[in-house]
Amino acid sequence: DTAVSQTPKYLVTQMGNDKSIKCEQNLGHDTMYWYKQDSKKFLKIMFSYNNKELIINETVPNRFSPKSPDKAHLNLHINSLELGDSAVYFCASSRGGSSKNIQYFGAGTRLSVL
Amino acid sequence: AQKITQTQPGMFVQEKEAVTLDCTYDTSDPSYGLFWYKQPSSGEMIFLIYQGSYDQQNATEGRYSLNFQKARKSANLVISASQLGDSAMYFCAMREGFSSGGYQKVTFGTGTKLQVIP
Repeated sequence: DTAVSQTPKYLVTQMGNDKSIKCEQNLGHDTMYWYKQDSKKFLKIMFSYNNKELIINETVPNRFSPKSPDKAHLNLHINSLELGDSAVYFCASSRGGSSKNIQYFGAGTRLSVL
Repeated sequence: AQKITQTQPGMFVQEKEAVTLDCTYDTSDPSYGLFWYKQPSSGEMIFLIYQGSYDQQNATEGRYSLNFQKARKSANLVISASQLGDSAMYFCAMREGFSSGGYQKVTFGTGTKLQVIP
């Protein structure tokens, strides 16, 4: 069983569309994250949820809206997609509050906006 | 200032040799953690090794070891007996203490691309 799974793996869409990426973890973790990796491989935190509560919200356009229906799921909805949104989006999870806080990542979703 | 600095954008190593990937960090927090992740060409991010700021011993995980030099604020990854499958991007990351609300944020370096030569 995949510990952190994201769907879809690839997403190709037109500018202006709305799309969602889903993430689920079966590790029993209570904290989940969304990261964006740009074309230069730089990985930056976007959001973090702990027990369905938003705890980190970096400077991200409000076209991006995370939703956590329960602590095992964290979805990312993107409205009015722009060319600059093309990137790989990673979901991750960890046991929040632990001294190590090791984050385990999903396989990534490669988003291409045309 | 950069919190995590990886000065080697790319490196080559001969198969079966050891290689050191550099990482320096900047924090004023006494409690922090350092991580290394591997990202092969297939794209997934794989956790390799963790070192806590209060850990007395350098962390080791199989062929991976973390050379932690606290005074120099460096956390270099050493891969012994390199294998072809070690060819990948390697990211150093740091978790700083507890941010407001009691939760921590992890910052990643820019990565080092390692290529293992047969």
